[in-house]
Amino acid sequence: AQSVTQPDIHITVSEGASLELRCNYSYGATPYLFWYVQSPGQGLQLLLKYFSGDTLVQGIKGFEAEFKRSQSSFNLRKPSVHWSDAAEYFCAVAASTNAGKSTFGDGTTLTVKP
Amino acid sequence: DVKVTQSSRYLVKRTGEKVFLECVQDMDHENMFWYRQDPGLGLRLIYFSYDVKMKEKGDIPEGYSVSREKKERFSLILESASTNQTSMYLCASSPLLGAYEQYFGPGTRLTVT
Repeated sequence: AQSVTQPDIHITVSEGASLELRCNYSYGATPYLFWYVQSPGQGLQLLLKYFSGDTLVQGIKGFEAEFKRSQSSFNLRKPSVHWSDAAEYFCAVAASTNAGKSTFGDGTTLTVKP
Repeated sequence: DVKVTQSSRYLVKRTGEKVFLECVQDMDHENMFWYRQDPGLGLRLIYFSYDVKMKEKGDIPEGYSVSREKKERFSLILESASTNQTSMYLCASSPLLGAYEQYFGPGTRLTVT
């Protein structure tokens, strides 16, 4: 069965600082990996996705993520955080063998200090 | 852009009422999902549909049913609402083939009193 772990429940960074959110997954074959962002009271928005090719993927809002098969990780990064990035971030994994259903991590809440 | 809409942003219902939550997507996606989101519990899948009139139970289907009569519309039904069904309900859709990314609606905050 597929699973996702986001080790950090809450992260606080200063505006302008770099950001890395961790995600570890468990799945036997090559997974489909995603990062989503959720602002308070809103639905989730897709930031980026990986399913093949270059292991460094670029997303919207200046985010990027790197797939590392050896570490079963798909960490999200941003070089300089803006106050508007404060939100909850979810990592997810999907598989073609599971009818495309995704398993979501429990989320990481990002607070941005001025 | 893919658009997923949900019929209500906020809903207040009484215990025992029958509640309908509607979701519509405009991208001809085969897959549609209903989740509930509660603090500390993450997103939990209630039901999944991969085609018209086809459905599959998710992780927490008890107390819920669904209907998918048209490809673009997926309804979640609470037959007899209870206070423990107070939650944020999120609908999503995704294509059958491809990378399986999901597109979410804005959510319905349901309160059952």
